[in-house]
Amino acid sequence: QVQLVQSGAEVKKPGASVKVSCKASGYTFTSYYMHWVRQAPGQGLEWMGIINPSGGSTSYAQKFQRRLTMTRDTSTSTVYMELTSLRSEDAAVYYCAREMGVVSSPFDYWGQGTLVTVSS
Amino acid sequence: DIQMTQSPSSLSASVGDRVTITCRTSQGISNYLAWYQQKPGKVPKLLIYAASTLQSGVPSRFSGSGSGTDFTLTISSLQPEDVATYYCQKYNSAPQTFGQGTKVEIK
Repeated sequence: QVQLVQSGAEVKKPGASVKVSCKASGYTFTSYYMHWVRQAPGQGLEWMGIINPSGGSTSYAQKFQRRLTMTRDTSTSTVYMELTSLRSEDAAVYYCAREMGVVSSPFDYWGQGTLVTVSS
Repeated sequence: DIQMTQSPSSLSASVGDRVTITCRTSQGISNYLAWYQQKPGKVPKLLIYAASTLQSGVPSRFSGSGSGTDFTLTISSLQPEDVATYYCQKYNSAPQTFGQGTKVEIK
């Protein structure tokens, strides 16, 4: 069965960086794009970016262009999301989500979420 | 970027009522529109994709329609377990933007 298991909660100070992992299992890791979505407390879903686990190519939402890096490790079927220069507005639950098809598809499996707290 | 406008932002209806949520995009996206359900404290769940295709395992009281710029999610007979926030999402191209969400409660 498909599973996306994310790393645990993080507490960071403003200006620091956070790196969240998402380990995939139950399917061919390199065959499905992976996305990152975040949700601030009491707020809606915000798409952050996408990574192609096969070649490693990425595309980020404009607002995160300078601070966001997505990478993958095919040997462990893990994708990573690193956000730098954290500010209070980055406090949120961060989700990885698998794109269900080959081209332009919605997200059929989600990780359990990783809570990132930003506090001095 | 294409803007998503979802309405209403919240609604309260009685068990058994028909509930309709709309999603409008600022540019046409053909049928590249999905609907998700997120229950409190839970992970979003895919309900409908390609505007009207029910994801496996989703109850048939959920249905979707629309194409181009105007889309609708309908719950034909609201059940207590449908209390959740519902989001639309465009996925034709990046950014895969979500609507603002509609919170559905039982009256």
